[in-house]
Amino acid sequence: EDKVVQSPLSLVVHEGDTVTLNCSYEVTNFRSLLWYKQEKKAPTFLFMLTSSGIEKKSGRLSSILDKKELFSILNITATQTGDSAIYLCAPSLNSGGYQKVTFGTGTKLQVIP
Amino acid sequence: ETGVTQTPRHLVMGMTNKKSLKCEQHLGHNAMYWYKQSAKKPLELMFVYSLEERVENNSVPSRFSPECPNSSHLFLHLHTLQPEDSALYLCASSRDRLAGLETQYFGPGTRLLVL
Repeated sequence: EDKVVQSPLSLVVHEGDTVTLNCSYEVTNFRSLLWYKQEKKAPTFLFMLTSSGIEKKSGRLSSILDKKELFSILNITATQTGDSAIYLCAPSLNSGGYQKVTFGTGTKLQVIP
Repeated sequence: ETGVTQTPRHLVMGMTNKKSLKCEQHLGHNAMYWYKQSAKKPLELMFVYSLEERVENNSVPSRFSPECPNSSHLFLHLHTLQPEDSALYLCASSRDRLAGLETQYFGPGTRLLVL
């Protein structure tokens, strides 16, 4: 059975802090690992990671994958109140001609002024 | 705006009602998905359609009935729901290509409340 564990479950930080969100996974036919940000409704895509050790960056956010240890982290530097959201980790795999994505429960981040 | 739209955005229904959720994607994708998101639980995959054929059904109760008339439209027909079915229902789509590394694009969701 596919398994995704995110930690911490929730986190409260002050503006300007740096946070690291963790994701460990166990899936078959692994293809890529996706990070999403979910504020009020639908998740919005952040990163797709396919290779180990290559950091992806987008502004203050960055992420890296370790395919040997089945682990990924999402870093947010100089946090802002607009970063408050649930961050979802989702390994994807190929299954029967489509992409199957399994989501973790997410890390709820709250950034206070 | 992700190119995936859902209607209605909010729905309140009684347990004896029949309603349908609609999803439409304008991205030229070939696979569409229904997810359920309940409070404090991970997103749960309900149904997957690839090239208009259902390829996965994660043991969803029969009171949820999907329909995919073409690659751009996906419906979720609801009947005799239970209060525990109250949740956010999300539709997503993706390119259906094994060689490609694609992401799923989500619609805004339908917030369903069953009384």
